[in-house]
Order: sequence, then C-alpha cells, then structure tokens
Amino acid sequence: DGGITQSPKYLFRKEGQNVTLSCEQNLNHDAMYWYRQDPGQGLRLIYYSQIVNDFQKGDIAEGYSVSREKKESFPLTVTSAQKNPTAFYLCASSITSTTKETQYFGPGTRLLVL
Amino acid sequence: DAKTTQPPSMDCAEGRAANLPCNHSTISGNEYVYWYRQIHSQGPQYIIHGLKNNETNEMASLIITEDRKSSTLILPHATLRDTAVYYCIVRVATTNAGKSTFGDGTTLTVKP
Repeated sequence: DGGITQSPKYLFRKEGQNVTLSCEQNLNHDAMYWYRQDPGQGLRLIYYSQIVNDFQKGDIAEGYSVSREKKESFPLTVTSAQKNPTAFYLCASSITSTTKETQYFGPGTRLLVL
Repeated sequence: DAKTTQPPSMDCAEGRAANLPCNHSTISGNEYVYWYRQIHSQGPQYIIHGLKNNETNEMASLIITEDRKSSTLILPHATLRDTAVYYCIVRVATTNAGKSTFGDGTTLTVKP
C-alpha cells in the first residue's frame, strides 16, 4: 500500500541528546514537510522540502535540522538546542496538480523528554 | 494565505448531519477552501476542497457562499468515528502546501 510511515511511534530523549525522527513515503511525491503539534493546538511548520537536496525553514525551525538526500525520505533531527521538544511530530508529503495540492500525513511520532 | 475563523467546539447527535462553519472574509479570488480532520493522536486527513462551487465526495459536502467569505462542511450522517478536530484552511491551490496554516480548528464530538 502507498503511504507515509513515521518511526518510532514514541521516542524518549534525555537532556542534551539529539534524536532523529524518520519519515518515509512511497507516493512519489516531490514535496515533504515536518510539523509540530502541542496539546490542544494546531500544527506549526518546522521545515519543508520541495525537491531532493533542497529544503526551507518553516515558522519554528530553531533547534531542528533536516536532510533530503532521497525523494522518499525526509528525516528530522531534534537537537539539544531545542529546549522544549516534547510534542507530537507529523510528517506530510504532497503532489501538485493544476487544481489542488493535497497533503498526506503520516501517523506521527510522540517525543517525550526524560 | 487568508485567515480562517472556526468555533472551538461543536456537538452532534449520531446519525444527524454535522454542519461545521468557517469564516474566511479576506479570501482572495484564487484561493481555495480546504478541509482536513484529525482524529485523536493521528495525522490529519484530507476531506474536501473547493473554489466557489459546492462540492461533494464520499466523505462530505462543502457549501461555499456566493461571496466566498464563509463556507460550511457537512457530514450528512455523522457517526461516532467522525469525532475529531476539523481544520478549515484557505490558500492558493498550486502554492506550497507546507505554508498552510492549521489553526486550532473545531473539535466535533458526535454523541450516541
């Protein structure tokens, strides 16, 4: 089945530790995105990539880094510089047509700081 | 992208129609109205979108007013599994979807 997978479902981070969240898609989509969601709130854009080897900062990129070496993969690293990383992280991808650009979301990764 | 305003919460009886409103008074002529929903602890799911004509698919109907300043998402026969947060988003269709602003949405609770 085509879709977006994120792993792990739950992730624990110790203080001062970098962690990497995985996002893979087999939809052949060019664009991929990372969002952060805090309890009871909407989604905020961290980074996005429209093509391999290129990505742009979103609204809350500080303390995060990404890479886009392959079309199907867009991993997110939460660095120690992110002081409040506990949140639900969502990855998405999209394809553009002449009339719409619909995003498809993965199941999410919940990050908890120990 | 235009800003949207949605009520924070709504209730609906199971089997009845759920009508979720969205105000987008500053919408531009080339901006579409998109609806997504997010069931608890899952990723958002696309529902429907439209420009100015009413739209219907297997999940829902979208009614857009003639002046395009507001719209209503209709779930014709709500079930308990429709309990979710519903997001109304307005943006140009062919621009980067990642710039979409997902506000706080409307929490719809379908009750037995």
